[in-house]
Amino acid sequence: ELKVEQNPLFLSMQEGKNYTIYCNYSTTSDRLYWYRQDPGKSLESLFVLLSNGAVKQEGRLMASLDTKARLSTLHITAAVHDLSATYFCAGLYNTDKLIFGTGTRLQVFP
Amino acid sequence: AAGVIQSPRHLIKEKRETATLKCYPIPRHDTVYWYQQGPGQDPQFLISFYEKMQSDKGSIPDRFSAQQFSDYHSELNMSSLELGDSALYFCASSRTYNEQFFGPGTRLTVL
Repeated sequence: ELKVEQNPLFLSMQEGKNYTIYCNYSTTSDRLYWYRQDPGKSLESLFVLLSNGAVKQEGRLMASLDTKARLSTLHITAAVHDLSATYFCAGLYNTDKLIFGTGTRLQVFP
Repeated sequence: AAGVIQSPRHLIKEKRETATLKCYPIPRHDTVYWYQQGPGQDPQFLISFYEKMQSDKGSIPDRFSAQQFSDYHSELNMSSLELGDSALYFCASSRTYNEQFFGPGTRLTVL
């Protein structure tokens, strides 16, 4: 069974700083997703990573995938308050079920 | 663009009662998934349906059952509710195991 570990669990960072969230997974996964969730809200898809070496960027967020290391990263550049949320990585297992990491709760302060 | 619709958005029940959650997938999506997210936790896969047949099952209690109907909407039936069932329940839909799109969720509170 696929297991997904994420760290850190909590991240408090100052506006303008850079940081990286790490996502390790235990076995082969068809795809790796990153989601954003605001408190009490739904899961917003940020990135879908399909193959080794994939890199995707949207605004201040950049995600990458290393299938050999079973590692995905979400890099935040020059953080702003609007990025405060919980970020989940999730691996696709058995074609259809998403296995989520524990989530990283990000708080960006002035 | 049309999104996944879930109803009700909020539901309050007493212990040992039953609840039915509904999910209407994005048009032309044939696959539906249910996830449960407890307070402060990550979403957990419950069950999925493809073309009205159950395709996979996760950590879904025996007290819960689900089905997908001919119009592709799905219902999650929960009986003998327990306090621990209080959670956000998400439905997601996709076109044949492609990217899953999540609905707004149903917040179930069991008192």
